Amino acid sequence: AQSVSQHNHHVILSEAASLELGCNYSYGGTVNLFWYVQYPGQHLQLLLKYFSGDPLVKGIKGFEAEFIKSKFSFNLRKPSVQWSDTAEYFCAAISGYSTLTFGKGTMLLVSP
Amino acid sequence: DGGITQSPKYLFRKEGQNVTLSCEQNLNHDAMYWYRQDPGQGLRLIYYSQIVNDFQKGDIAEGYSVSREKKESFPLTVTSAQKNPTAFYLCASSPLDRGNSPLHFGNGTRLTVT
Repeated sequence: AQSVSQHNHHVILSEAASLELGCNYSYGGTVNLFWYVQYPGQHLQLLLKYFSGDPLVKGIKGFEAEFIKSKFSFNLRKPSVQWSDTAEYFCAAISGYSTLTFGKGTMLLVSP
Repeated sequence: DGGITQSPKYLFRKEGQNVTLSCEQNLNHDAMYWYRQDPGQGLRLIYYSQIVNDFQKGDIAEGYSVSREKKESFPLTVTSAQKNPTAFYLCASSPLDRGNSPLHFGNGTRLTVT
């Protein structure tokens, strides 16, 4: 079965620390990958996406993610987090005629 | 502004009662989805619809029902057969393009059943 795994359920960082959230998927073949973010009290919104081409994709608010096909990974990174990055982050994947599958989410808490 | 409207934001029901959650979109999207979000579980797909008058079960459809009589509307009914109905429910939509477009989400409905 297709699945998406996020390595950490909770991450706590201080402001200015670097962030890397792990995501692995189990799909074979061509896959589209997404990171969504849910800020407290707000709806889910797209952070960035990968369909093809440059495996390093840049999203909003200084986030980026790298697609590594050999590792079936799509890790999210940010060089220096801010308090306003406190949110829940979801990795998601879709392939072919499948529906979008989400990981279980990572709650990031950034302390000022 | 185009978007997805879910109502109500909070809903309380007694055990044994059916309850219907509303989802309306004015984005002219063909596909609509219902997800359930529980702490530590991520988003799990309940039902989805790619065209009017047609819908498919997702991963956790038991105890739920949907209808798609209009393109703009995709209501979800949580029936008394759903064993753990208390959850946060998210509706989403997208163009029908095999996953090339991201989903647009509503603000969600938090259902509490006592």
